[in-house]
Amino acid sequence: QVQLQESGPGLVKPSETLSLTCAVSGYSISSGYYWGWIRQPPGKGLEWIGSIYHSGSTYYNPSLKSRVTISVDTSKNQFSLKLSSVTAADTAVYYCARDPAVAGTGYFDYWGQGTLVTVSS
Amino acid sequence: SYVLTQPPSVSVAPGQTARITCGGNNIGSKSVHWYQQKPGQAPVLVVYDDSDRPSGIPERFSGSNSGNTATLTISRVEAGDEADYYCQVWDSSSDHSFGGGTKLTVL
Repeated sequence: QVQLQESGPGLVKPSETLSLTCAVSGYSISSGYYWGWIRQPPGKGLEWIGSIYHSGSTYYNPSLKSRVTISVDTSKNQFSLKLSSVTAADTAVYYCARDPAVAGTGYFDYWGQGTLVTVSS
Repeated sequence: SYVLTQPPSVSVAPGQTARITCGGNNIGSKSVHWYQQKPGQAPVLVVYDDSDRPSGIPERFSGSNSGNTATLTISRVEAGDEADYYCQVWDSSSDHSFGGGTKLTVL
C-alpha cells in the first residue's frame, strides 16, 4: 500500500521560506510516476502547486512558479517543497500526492494526510 | 488558465440520487477526475478519467462528461456521502486545475 507523509515546520514567519518534505513508503519513487504538492487554505478549495518526476523534471503552477522549488531525493524515497517569500496568503494545509499518469497529466491517486502551515510573525 | 465551475452546494435526501456538475470550456474533450473530501481529511479519488472508479469505491459513484459539463452522480445516497466534492482536469494552458468544490448535504 502506497503511503505518503508530509513533515516540516507548522509555523513560518512572513518573508521566510516554507520547507516541507514528503516521505513515500510502499512504492519506490525511482520506479516512475510524478509526485505533486497541492495546498488548501482554511475553508477554501484545492490549489495545485507543482509536480516532479523521479528524474528531477519539474513543472509548476504559473501563479507560484517564481517562488516554488520542488526537488527529489530518490535515495531517501522522498521529495520536497520550498516556497519562498511567504505571506499570510500562503497559510494552508499542504498535501503531497502521486500522479500515476505517464506524463504527469493525470489525477492524484494517493495523498498524504496533509500538514497545516501557518504564516505568522 | 482553465476555469472549472461547480455549484457551491447540493442537497439530497437519503436514498435519492445526487448530481454534482463541473463546467468548463469544451470539458468534454478532457479527462475529468473527482475527489471526495470529508472534514479534516485528505481528498480521496472517487472517479478518474471521466467515469472509472478506483478500487474500493462503491459502484454508486459514477461519472460522465460531454460538451461543457462533467457530472458526478451518486446513487442511493447515504449519510456517509456527506462531504465536499472537487473536480479536476489537466489542461496544457494551466496544468492541473481544480473546481471550487461542492458541499453535498444529506438531508
